[in-house]
Amino acid sequence: GQGVEQPDNLMSVEGTFARVNCTYSTSGFNGLSWYQQREGHAPVFLSYVVLDGLKDSGHFSTFLSRSNGYSYLLLTELQIKDSASYLCAVREPNYNVLYFGSGTKLTVEP
Amino acid sequence: DPKIIQKPKYLVAVTGSEKILICEQYLGHNAMYWYRQSAKKPLEFMFSYSYQKLMDNQTASSRFQPQSSKKNHLDLQITALKPDDSATYFCASSQDGWGSSQNTLYFGAGTRLSVL
Repeated sequence: GQGVEQPDNLMSVEGTFARVNCTYSTSGFNGLSWYQQREGHAPVFLSYVVLDGLKDSGHFSTFLSRSNGYSYLLLTELQIKDSASYLCAVREPNYNVLYFGSGTKLTVEP
Repeated sequence: DPKIIQKPKYLVAVTGSEKILICEQYLGHNAMYWYRQSAKKPLEFMFSYSYQKLMDNQTASSRFQPQSSKKNHLDLQITALKPDDSATYFCASSQDGWGSSQNTLYFGAGTRLSVL
């Protein structure tokens, strides 16, 4: 929605890492959020970034480059239970709206 | 205990009928939202309310009408239901309806609507 793009699928191996990419092309920018959504469940907030650079939150880290319209969510020391969809959402100025990407389904294999 | 309660969890309706989706939040938040999620599509923003006032409406059809009887309630009335309305409808809330708090949404479990 509103120019927020994510790859559909991503596979990785337990104990390693996964990087979930998000690109956006909105008319303005007022923050980007990441959510986790398990099959049949509601999205759960993970992280919010508004400044460029890497934000380390332990198991989840997020990177933002506003000039490139790009963010990624980095999951380290993957566990099987990290298998879920990861949604990127961008807020535009002047609107009380979060525009979500269609999500990346991460599958963590043993 | 869930802090955002949506009722019912599942709903089956006949084309042309009318239904109301219920949402109550007990987080003490001042802003509430409705989003819709269809198969293979992104979460789609519908409405946002702050202090019981409509802030944004990006639903093209007037068949969708939010109703806020209390600050912590935001129901969604859908009239003249169509099969294309089949989706999961998520209610969400945030501390406020402006600023960075808008980026942190708390979602209810959703109401899965099927229109036959």
